[in-house]
Amino acid sequence: NAGVTQTPKFQVLKTGQSMTLQCAQDMNHEYMSWYRQDPGMGLRLIHYSVGAGITDQGEVPNGYNVSRSTTEDFPLRLLSAAPSQTSVYFCASSRLAGFLTDTQYFGPGTRLTVL
Amino acid sequence: GQQLNQSPQSMFIQEGEDVSMNCTSSSIFNTWLWYKQDPGEGPVLLIALYKAGELTSNGRLTAQFGITRKDSFLNISASIPSDVGIYFCAGRGGATNKLIFGTGTLLAVQP
Repeated sequence: NAGVTQTPKFQVLKTGQSMTLQCAQDMNHEYMSWYRQDPGMGLRLIHYSVGAGITDQGEVPNGYNVSRSTTEDFPLRLLSAAPSQTSVYFCASSRLAGFLTDTQYFGPGTRLTVL
Repeated sequence: GQQLNQSPQSMFIQEGEDVSMNCTSSSIFNTWLWYKQDPGEGPVLLIALYKAGELTSNGRLTAQFGITRKDSFLNISASIPSDVGIYFCAGRGGATNKLIFGTGTLLAVQP
């Protein structure tokens, strides 16, 4: 098992550009989520999904879109990048079964800089 | 958004020393989790706690779910260089039942 994979590992964008951060898991997990990590802020939930075709907003969803067309993939789209979106982005997945939901497996992260 | 207060912010210790860190919240939680993040990697779950007063160990790590359900503690005994990293607490509870992360404790261990 590869676990949770994320691409790219690093990305630099100009303000206004769009891009998609990719996330895939091969553990057949129902639950997937996106977090951003900023210095002194911990991890903040952007969007999450409890299964294919179902997505919902987290704590900081503005400026981001997600979709879940398959169980394996959960891409995060930035439609018009802003400097405030400079951050490290983590994708995570877990089973959706009581306490197992808490055992989230995190990807290695994508480091995004918006100029 | 709501955040947990995690302290200390950073710790610089000698190998062999014991370490203690804690998280507090203004809300009651029904789950407390502790993660470790190595440089350049994603967080990895260390310990999960589900009951007030619960004390759980994972090797040299011990975590406790506070009796008030508003705090949790993580202790590391006899630290070693590979303990270096950022430790995050996370709690689940309240109206949304969403997972909220603390701001992290950076641990540096000098051999």
